Amino acid sequence: ETGVTQTPRHLVMGMTNKKSLKCEQHLGHNAMYWYKQSAKKPLELMFVYSLEERVENNSVPSRFSPECPNSSHLFLHLHTLQPEDSALYLCASSDPDRKNIQYFGAGTRLSVL
Amino acid sequence: DAKTTQPNSMESNEEEPVHLPCNHSTISGTDYIHWYRQLPSQGPEYVIHGLTSNVNNRMASLAIAEDRKSSTLILHRATLRDAAVYYCILFRSGAGSYQLTFGKGTKLSVIP
Repeated sequence: ETGVTQTPRHLVMGMTNKKSLKCEQHLGHNAMYWYKQSAKKPLELMFVYSLEERVENNSVPSRFSPECPNSSHLFLHLHTLQPEDSALYLCASSDPDRKNIQYFGAGTRLSVL
Repeated sequence: DAKTTQPNSMESNEEEPVHLPCNHSTISGTDYIHWYRQLPSQGPEYVIHGLTSNVNNRMASLAIAEDRKSSTLILHRATLRDAAVYYCILFRSGAGSYQLTFGKGTKLSVIP
């Protein structure tokens, strides 16, 4: 148990669906992250939020839309995804004052049909 | 970003020490060396980090070369639960600095 909870753990969606991934942390951290891990590829950073403001957006397609309503919650809204978006989506949080040690959730395994 | 180089895979016998190497020849003076591991079907897990001196914690030890161009993660007694992908990452601390750049890591197999 890392203190970072992601729901759902598994998600299957069609290309025309809209769904959201949720991440919650109660570690008192003020930075939160979304990563994508495709099969046999390194983790790719997608978005970073610090104090509820987006500070990094690594050229992610607009069909992925993050939302950070407060420092404990992070969402990733999905719409009109492609099959190549099937991957493990990981959320993490950190306190940048502690050398950015990141705590990860278990991830959401997404399959796009 | 400064890059790291790790072997793709390593094997160890259970209850023996494991030394996982990492080269980072372009490391800068403000880069911290972080190690994470990812067990099957889980998110990455922080293991240890250091700057210049060797570090120990309950999970592992980190040995850093004097010139800081390489480091070694040491698991003192490998268990089956240590089978994972181990990532060596450089993190440049500073205001507005957040990004950890993960490579492919080293896949450690532990043989019973």
